[in-house]
Amino acid sequence: AQTVTQSQPEMSVQEAETVTLSCTYDTSESDYYLFWYKQPPSRQMILVIRQEAYKQQNATENRFSVNFQKAAKSFSLKISDSQLGDAAMYFCAYTTPLVFGKGTRLSVIA
Amino acid sequence: GAVVSQHPSRVICKSGTSVKIECRSLDFQATTMFWYRQFPKQSLMLMATSNEGSKATYEQGVEKDKFLINHASLTLSTLTVTSAHPEDSSFYICSARGPGSLAYEQYFGPGTRLTVT
Repeated sequence: AQTVTQSQPEMSVQEAETVTLSCTYDTSESDYYLFWYKQPPSRQMILVIRQEAYKQQNATENRFSVNFQKAAKSFSLKISDSQLGDAAMYFCAYTTPLVFGKGTRLSVIA
Repeated sequence: GAVVSQHPSRVICKSGTSVKIECRSLDFQATTMFWYRQFPKQSLMLMATSNEGSKATYEQGVEKDKFLINHASLTLSTLTVTSAHPEDSSFYICSARGPGSLAYEQYFGPGTRLTVT
C-alpha cells in the first residue's frame, strides 16, 4: 500500500521568509501524481500544487514550488515570501484516491 | 468550476439515531466520489470509494453496515451514519474525482461536522 510521511508536525516561519515542508512517500508505481493541500481553520481543503511523476520539471505556482526527487521518493514544498494567510495545516498527498500524510501545521510569525 | 457541496455543514444527533450527509458535484459529473473522516488535529482517512451505480468499496476497518454510502447519480453521493454513537462524532469530508482530463484530481466539499450526544 502507498504511504505518505510528513516528519514535521509543526513548523514556523517569519513573515516574508522562506520555509520548506518535507514529504516522502512509498510506492511501486512509476506513473502517479503528488499533491500539496492546504487546510485553513475553515477546514476546506485547498489544492496548493500538484506534480506529475513523469514530469522531471518541478511544479511552481506563484510563491509555491516543489522539489520532486523521484528516485528518493521525496516531494517537498517551498513557500517563498511567507504571508500571514499561509498559516494552516499542509497535507502531502499521493495520487487518487488520495492518501494523505499526517500533516504539518505551519505558523507564520509577523 | 469543479465545485463540490456538502449538506449539512453541521449536525447534532442523539445516540442511536441515523443521520444522512449529502455530497453534490455542482458543475461536473462525478463518476467517482470519496468519503473521508478527519478527527481533530489529525489527517484525512479514506473511508470508502463509490462509483455511480455500484456498491461502495470500503477501506479496511470501516464498518459498511454503519456507514452506508449511496451514489445513485453522477452528481450525488450520500453517507448515512446508522445508529450513531458518540465515537462517530467527527468531521466528514466528501471528494469527487474530476471528469476526463481532470480525472487525476479530486475536488473537496467543505465538510460536515457530526456531533453525537
